[in-house]
Amino acid sequence: DIVMTQSPLSLPVTPGEPASISCRSSQSLLYSNGFNYLDWYLQKPGQSPQLLIFLGSNRASGVPDRFSGSGSGTDFTLTISRVEADDVGVYYCMQAQQTPRTFGQGTKLEIK
Amino acid sequence: QVQLVESGGGGVQPGRSLRLSCAASGFTFSSFGMHWVRQAPGKGLEWVAAIWYVGSNEYYADSVKGRFTISRDTSKNTLYLQMNSLRAEDTAVYYCAKESDAFDIWGQGTMVTVSS
Repeated sequence: DIVMTQSPLSLPVTPGEPASISCRSSQSLLYSNGFNYLDWYLQKPGQSPQLLIFLGSNRASGVPDRFSGSGSGTDFTLTISRVEADDVGVYYCMQAQQTPRTFGQGTKLEIK
Repeated sequence: QVQLVESGGGGVQPGRSLRLSCAASGFTFSSFGMHWVRQAPGKGLEWVAAIWYVGSNEYYADSVKGRFTISRDTSKNTLYLQMNSLRAEDTAVYYCAKESDAFDIWGQGTMVTVSS
């Protein structure tokens, strides 16, 4: 199984400041078609997870352009250019390269 | 609108069975792979099972293989998870999710508590 490792696990951020989360996979998520099978999800307090970024760098419908995904192969980053209060929650990366799908441990973003 | 609604959760004793349902609406249910993902209290997300839209191939996490069965009824637009031989460690909120490039739609979840 592919192991996903996120850092940091806790991320206190001042509103208006940028934030970034790292996600590393134990195997390359770059497929022969050129796509990286890495997705990012946000689970806000008391809610179901919601899709933020798919295939490494594509924003899901309705996701603000403050959110961006980058990286390739085994190293990926989710960046929030200017954190807002509504961004609090736990962020997960997930590999979709193979089954079983595996998630990172989650990164809890909180507002300072 | 596109929606997934889970049901069937509840309290059950170890060793017993439970069947979860996930009612889909707002999209062509038969055209997408579907997944179950669970979250134990205070823990992260754990993928449980998947069923593909082509051939209805099934895939399971090692932790549930041989005990859980995923299935779908396209006439009812409903996804199922049959859970047998339940254990305390199966206690979690169970989410169903639709796959289109990624898990783009999630249900609200249904809680399963396994306890004597």
